[in-house]
Amino acid sequence: DSGVTQTPKHLITATGQRVTLRCSPRSGDLSVYWYQQSLDQGLQFLIQYYNGEERAKGNILERFSAQQFPDLHSELNLSSLELGDSALYFCASSVTTGGGETQYFGPGTRLLVL
Amino acid sequence: QKEVEQDPGPLSVPEGAIVSLNCTYSNSAFQYFMWYRQYSRKGPELLMYTYSSGNKEDGRFTAQVDKSSKYISLFIRDSQPSDSATYLCAMRGGNKLTFGTGTQLKVEL
Repeated sequence: DSGVTQTPKHLITATGQRVTLRCSPRSGDLSVYWYQQSLDQGLQFLIQYYNGEERAKGNILERFSAQQFPDLHSELNLSSLELGDSALYFCASSVTTGGGETQYFGPGTRLLVL
Repeated sequence: QKEVEQDPGPLSVPEGAIVSLNCTYSNSAFQYFMWYRQYSRKGPELLMYTYSSGNKEDGRFTAQVDKSSKYISLFIRDSQPSDSATYLCAMRGGNKLTFGTGTQLKVEL
C-alpha cells in the first residue's frame, strides 16, 4: 500500500458526460501528479500540482482540468468525454530527498466511456 | 520518435532465470532513472532509483545506467513467479517524469 488513495476505483459513463476523479496524497506529500494509462499510449503525464499551485503540465487535453485543495487532496475533472478517454487514471504523490524525487502511485481509477 | 523506447514484450522465462529488461532514451536532459513494477490492475510501484552511470544492486535486482549510450537496464536474478508483472522504466529531467511503455514479464514454473 503506497499511502495514496484514489476514488472511485471504477467509473462507467457515457460520451459527452463529465466526471471527477479524486486523489488523496500520502501524509506530508505536497506534490500531486496525474497520469493517464491506456494500452496503446502507456503511462502519460497529465499535470502536477505542488501545495495548491499548478507546477507542470504534460499531455493534458483542454477538456480536462485539475486542482489541488488546501488539504492537499486533488481532483481531476474530465468533461465532454469521448470513447478514447477510456483508460486508467493514476495519481501519484512525491517526496524529495537528497537522492531526488520519488513518486508513489495510487491504485488508479478505471474509467470506461460507453 | 519517442523519448523513451522500451520493448513491450511479452517476455516469458522459466523460474530461476536471469531476466534483462532494457530501455533506450534520446533526451540528454534525463538525470534520474527509475524502474517501476506494475501488477495487473494495480498502480506502479518504485523498484529502483538511480542517478549516475553504473550499477545499483538491491537484493535480486540490479539497475544499470549507461548515460553515454543512453541505455538503462534492470536485471532480475533467480526470477520467481511473483515477479510476473509489467516493468516500466522512467526518466526525469526537470519536473517531468517520462515513462517507457512497459515490458510484460511472465515467469513460469
